[in-house]
Amino acid sequence: AQSVTQPDIHITVSEGASLELRCNYSYGATPYLFWYVQSPGQGLQLLLKYFSGDTLVQGIKGFEAEFKRSQSSFNLRKPSVHWSDAAEYFCAVDVDSGSARQLTFGSGTQLTVLP
Amino acid sequence: SAVISQKPSRDICQRGTSLTIQCQVDSQVTMMFWYRQQPGQSLTLIATANQGSEATYESGFVIDKFPISRPNLTFSTLTVSNMSPEDSSIYLCSGGLARGDEQFFGPGTRLTVL
Repeated sequence: AQSVTQPDIHITVSEGASLELRCNYSYGATPYLFWYVQSPGQGLQLLLKYFSGDTLVQGIKGFEAEFKRSQSSFNLRKPSVHWSDAAEYFCAVDVDSGSARQLTFGSGTQLTVLP
Repeated sequence: SAVISQKPSRDICQRGTSLTIQCQVDSQVTMMFWYRQQPGQSLTLIATANQGSEATYESGFVIDKFPISRPNLTFSTLTVSNMSPEDSSIYLCSGGLARGDEQFFGPGTRLTVL
């Protein structure tokens, strides 16, 4: 069965520092990969997605992610973190369940930004 | 894009009662899903809401506990039946058009069962 692993439960960085959130997936075919962000009390907002083409994808809010097939990874990066980036980040894989496409989410990484 | 709204945004309910959550999309979507997010946890898919037919439930979720309706392409309801404190969670509705397209999420319904 497909799965998504986010090995870091909680990450703390200083404002202005670079950020990398890790995501590994287990899926037989080429997956559709997503990163979502959830701010406190908010729904989920899509940061970026990948399903083909250039393996480095750009998203909103200055985020980017790189798909590495050999490592089954789709890590999220930002060169300079802002205090407003503090939130929960979820990696997700779009899988075909047969009757419908659905998302399988990782366990999430909570990001704390220090002033 | 699609904007998804949910009602109610939050509720506090007594054990043994039922709550129906409404999900409204501002445009037609092919797929609609219901997720549960338990405190401090990730999202778990409850079911796929199918228009005009019975929902498709994931392992561990059953229709008697979580009946779902989807009468048209823009509206769905999820009922949490015979609630217990273990049902205290955020319930999120999402919608999408096709594989690879963004799934749009509602703001969620925060349910507390006493």
